[in-house]
Amino acid sequence: EAGVTQSPTHLIKTRGQQATLRCSPISGHTSVYWYQQALGLGLQFLLWYDEGEERNRGNFPPRFSGRQFPNYSSELNVNALELEDSALYLCASSPTGRPNYGYTFGSGTRLTVV
Amino acid sequence: QKEVEQNSGPLSVPEGAIASLNCTYSDRGSQSFFWYRQYSGKSPELIMSIYSNGDKEDGRFTAQLNKASQYVSLLIRDSQPSDSATYLCAVTISGANSKLTFGKGITLSVRP
Repeated sequence: EAGVTQSPTHLIKTRGQQATLRCSPISGHTSVYWYQQALGLGLQFLLWYDEGEERNRGNFPPRFSGRQFPNYSSELNVNALELEDSALYLCASSPTGRPNYGYTFGSGTRLTVV
Repeated sequence: QKEVEQNSGPLSVPEGAIASLNCTYSDRGSQSFFWYRQYSGKSPELIMSIYSNGDKEDGRFTAQLNKASQYVSLLIRDSQPSDSATYLCAVTISGANSKLTFGKGITLSVRP
């Protein structure tokens, strides 16, 4: 069974540009979660998508947005990039309605803003 | 008050010792509790889950949950250098379905 896949692995952008990160969940998982892990700050919750809908949003500005496609894959968009957006962005998936299942994480996208 | 708190660490133990990692949470309605291991430069990996008060053992790992005191801990017996990693505590917050809230993690170093 394929795990959660994320692309690209690394992304370098200039301040003010836009970044698009992609995630494919485990087959059969309908929930996708996005987290930001900046150096020394731990995992910060960004967004949760389930069945194509945004279910919850973390304390991030509106320039962080995303969507979930009919095949349950997801995209995270970060507009007007700032230097402090440099971080590891992790995507995770789980089956719908199974809170005891926990998450499976992808290997992440390392975003560097210069 | 932070929702999930872990001792800042780092924690250093000699090889073969027991490593004890602790986590407290603020939401009494929390239902599911997880421990993730994250090696440097890698993504978190689920190693233990616990839902009921008491102990749950899996190999060298034991998770302990005390809902009355709102803490969850992870014991690693016979610690090995390969256990050196950051350990993240995660909790489902009531009312938010399956969304997990993570602690900042504690870095464990096992000395050969």
